[in-house]
Amino acid sequence: DAMVIQNPRYQVTQFGKPVTLSCSQTLNHNVMYWYQQKSSQAPKLLFHYYDKDFNNEADTPDNFQSRRPNTSFCFLDIRSPGLGDAAMYLCATSRGTRTEKLFFGSGTQLSVL
Amino acid sequence: SQKIEQNSEALNIQEGKTATLTCNYTNYSPAYLQWYRQDPGRGPVFLLLIRENEKEKRKERLKVTFDTTLKQSLFHITASQPADSATYLCALQETALIFGKGTTLSVSS
Repeated sequence: DAMVIQNPRYQVTQFGKPVTLSCSQTLNHNVMYWYQQKSSQAPKLLFHYYDKDFNNEADTPDNFQSRRPNTSFCFLDIRSPGLGDAAMYLCATSRGTRTEKLFFGSGTQLSVL
Repeated sequence: SQKIEQNSEALNIQEGKTATLTCNYTNYSPAYLQWYRQDPGRGPVFLLLIRENEKEKRKERLKVTFDTTLKQSLFHITASQPADSATYLCALQETALIFGKGTTLSVSS
């Protein structure tokens, strides 16, 4: 009965080689988020979609892109991963953006070699 | 922009004691504040939400307080158990939810 599913669980990529992380949800929530979390740090919001409306955080590098082709799926594309992009990437959903709790997936741990 | 400070990175207590975790924020008081639990290698899980007009919220052994004067929320776990060992994150709303770095609680038997 997993509600927010992230694939793969672990991803290894090479420096500079594009990588895509995926997230799907069975909750039919309007909002999907991508957070980056490095070891012992706070989850850092990269961007979020309210339906098809894309909201980018001001300090999210251009190297990070996202796509949401439909309500259920959202993708995180890292165009040219650097060593500093190694982190856990967390996808989350909520019904709305105000007074709403977030449902998180288990995350994708990205390693960059 | 808002900054969230969870002052203790780690808290070690004995089973049966009450754990108290602190969350401070720096700017305007948010309309509400949330607490999440995160286990190693997993995504955070929602625990409690408290609104600015609520002084206290309880759920089983958990209690959250919200003091807008002090710009602080306290998170309490009473009768703590080893299974409560995890990282606890405080979060509040800006354009979307932003998180503190968390406090890692270890409960020893």
